[in-house]
Amino acid sequence: RKEVEQDPGPFNVPEGATVAFNCTYSNSASQSFFWYRQDCRKEPKLLMSVYSSGNEDGRFTAQLNRASQYISLLIRDSKLSDSATYLCVVPPFSGSARQLTFGSGTQLTVLP
Amino acid sequence: NAGVTQTPKFQVLKTGQSMTLQCAQDMNHNSMYWYRQDPGMGLRLIYYSASEGTTDKGEVPNGYNVSRLNKREFSLRLESAAPSQTSVYFCASNEGPEAFFGQGTRLTVV
Repeated sequence: RKEVEQDPGPFNVPEGATVAFNCTYSNSASQSFFWYRQDCRKEPKLLMSVYSSGNEDGRFTAQLNRASQYISLLIRDSKLSDSATYLCVVPPFSGSARQLTFGSGTQLTVLP
Repeated sequence: NAGVTQTPKFQVLKTGQSMTLQCAQDMNHNSMYWYRQDPGMGLRLIYYSASEGTTDKGEVPNGYNVSRLNKREFSLRLESAAPSQTSVYFCASNEGPEAFFGQGTRLTVV
């Protein structure tokens, strides 16, 4: 099983829709997780962090389910500008090799 | 505040040529990384450096070498480029949970 696996996508949704992506992780000791956003041909940038049960920032909600070892990203009222690839990231934690593990990304296209 | 700076932004190489991708960060981070990104494959770790003077292989190290010259700089070298190394390369650094990326190098090997 890969360390981090994401919904393959692509997701094509109409403007205003609600869309959710999932990301599963294999290491139960992982303590924190992150969602990065990557625009076409650009570098990834941090979108949200998930440290405990969840985090909400405007239209974006990130949730963690430790029992099932997955995190989710929910986007409400989708905008055209939300079109991007969303990467799930498991950062270093104590006792691990210090490297960032990225999911393969989920591509979202919001249609007018 | 430059963050992470990568050079060059674009490069075309012939098979067998060598080149070095440069990366520098001005945030005093200990950890630095080199990733490659291919369509549909996400970010794959080539090498990383947890601190100055140390480097470790990632998921796809074959065909690459790295140097952590000092705390600021982490270079990636292709000794004999192959078409399979055509990709977008990203350098990143972090100290805490957030990673910062360079703008990427688009490399084509013909």
